[in-house]
Amino acid sequence: GAGVSQSPSNKVTEKGKDVELRCDPISGHTALYWYRQSLGQGLEFLIYFQGNSAPDKSGLPSDRFSAERTGGSVSTLTIQRTQQEDSAVYLCASSLDPGTVGTQYFGPGTRLLVL
Amino acid sequence: SQQGEEDPQALSIQEGENATMNCSYKTSINNLQWYRQNSGRGLVHLILIRSNEREKHSGRLRVTLDTSKKSSSLLITASRAADTASYFCATPGGNQFYFGTGTSLTVIP
Repeated sequence: GAGVSQSPSNKVTEKGKDVELRCDPISGHTALYWYRQSLGQGLEFLIYFQGNSAPDKSGLPSDRFSAERTGGSVSTLTIQRTQQEDSAVYLCASSLDPGTVGTQYFGPGTRLLVL
Repeated sequence: SQQGEEDPQALSIQEGENATMNCSYKTSINNLQWYRQNSGRGLVHLILIRSNEREKHSGRLRVTLDTSKKSSSLLITASRAADTASYFCATPGGNQFYFGTGTSLTVIP
């Protein structure tokens, strides 16, 4: 079956612009995660969605970052007034199991470059 | 920080040799997972080991877990050039996994 997909693959934007990153999880996966990975670094947790529960937003670095998940499926990560330090690869993952008991399936990521 | 830390940061070996990388973490866990990443893109799940398991095998992969030392190791036997990638351990905490900065493995043909 289809895996996790993300769009766009690459995004170049100017400082101060808003960007939207999209994630299509695997069908039936109730858990969805967003991570950020800066060059040569590990993954930084951003936000976690589980079913219809309120999302865990504890990893969002500032109020310029927000995310939503519509209908328990597609998710959009929005970064407002982008800064150069926002440049990174943004990774989405989904899981059949809630929390951290199961395998996460990752998308290919969106590489964001803020000029 | 609960973050798992991989060691070494970089490893270069000849094709056919075995590669061993280690992960240390700080808090009690119920499972630990290893992932592989090619070219800075999406991660691929390799293996999950639960806290009541000491060793697990999957193909050429062997993972050990020592909860008393809060450490895990990933062994790749008979390495191939295609194994060249970054390898991350992931430890659970709350609703998230904590990933280290990874071990960059280069297998020279």
